[in-house]
Amino acid sequence: DIQLTQSPSFLSASVGDRVTITCRASQDISNSLAWYQRKPGTAPKLLIYPASTLKGGVPSRFSGSGSGAEFTLTISSLQPEDFATYFCQQLHVYVSFGPGTKVEIK
Amino acid sequence: QVHLVESGGGVVQPGGSLRLSCAASGFTFSTYAMHWVRQAPAKGLEWLAVISYDGTLDYCADSVKGRFTISRDNSKNTLYLQMNSLRTEDTAVYSCAKPRVGTWDSHGWDFDLWGRGTLVTVSS
Repeated sequence: DIQLTQSPSFLSASVGDRVTITCRASQDISNSLAWYQRKPGTAPKLLIYPASTLKGGVPSRFSGSGSGAEFTLTISSLQPEDFATYFCQQLHVYVSFGPGTKVEIK
Repeated sequence: QVHLVESGGGVVQPGGSLRLSCAASGFTFSTYAMHWVRQAPAKGLEWLAVISYDGTLDYCADSVKGRFTISRDNSKNTLYLQMNSLRTEDTAVYSCAKPRVGTWDSHGWDFDLWGRGTLVTVSS
C-alpha cells in the first residue's frame, strides 16, 4: 500500500496569511493526488484533483502543485472559512489518505 | 437528493463480528464502484475497501484483509461491510463513499459523496 505523510500536522495562522501544506508519498504517484477540506460534522469537500487542477467552485486562493512523490497545497490568503482540516488522497494504486493538517486561528 | 446512509454500528467485544450497511439513493448505484473508509478517534481517514459496480472485483487494505469483506446488492442499492475478528483498534466511525467515476480505475476514485458514518466500538 502507498503511504502518505503530511506536514505540518497542525498549524496556527491568521486571516490573510499564506499557508502551505505538504503531502509526501512513499513512491512515485505521478499526479494522482487529490486535496480535500473537512470541517467538523461535515463531509470532506474535494478541492483539487489531479495535483494542480482546481475543482469547479473552489476559490482561486487555493492552489496545488507537485508531481511524483511530493505535493503542496497553498492557500494564498487565508480566510475565516478556511479554518479546517486538509488531507491528501492518492489515487495511483487503489486509495490511501494522508493523516491531515489542522489549520486553526492564531 | 443523493444520499448515502450507513447503519449497523454498535458495541462489540474483541473477536466479535458486525455487518455494516450503506443505503444509496439519488444516483444509479449499480454503475459505480463503491468504497468503505473509517476514521478512528483523533486519527485521520483510513481507506478500507472497494468493490466494482457489479460486485465481481473487490480489494481490501492490508490492515483489514482477511477479516473484512465488502459486498453489495444492486437490487437493494445497498453496500455492505462484513467485519470479523474485530480488534480494539477497529474502533472508528465507518463511512461509505461514492467516487466521481464508476469504473475500476483508481484514477477516477476521488470522492464526491460521503455518508455520515456509523460508529463501531470494539471493547470488552
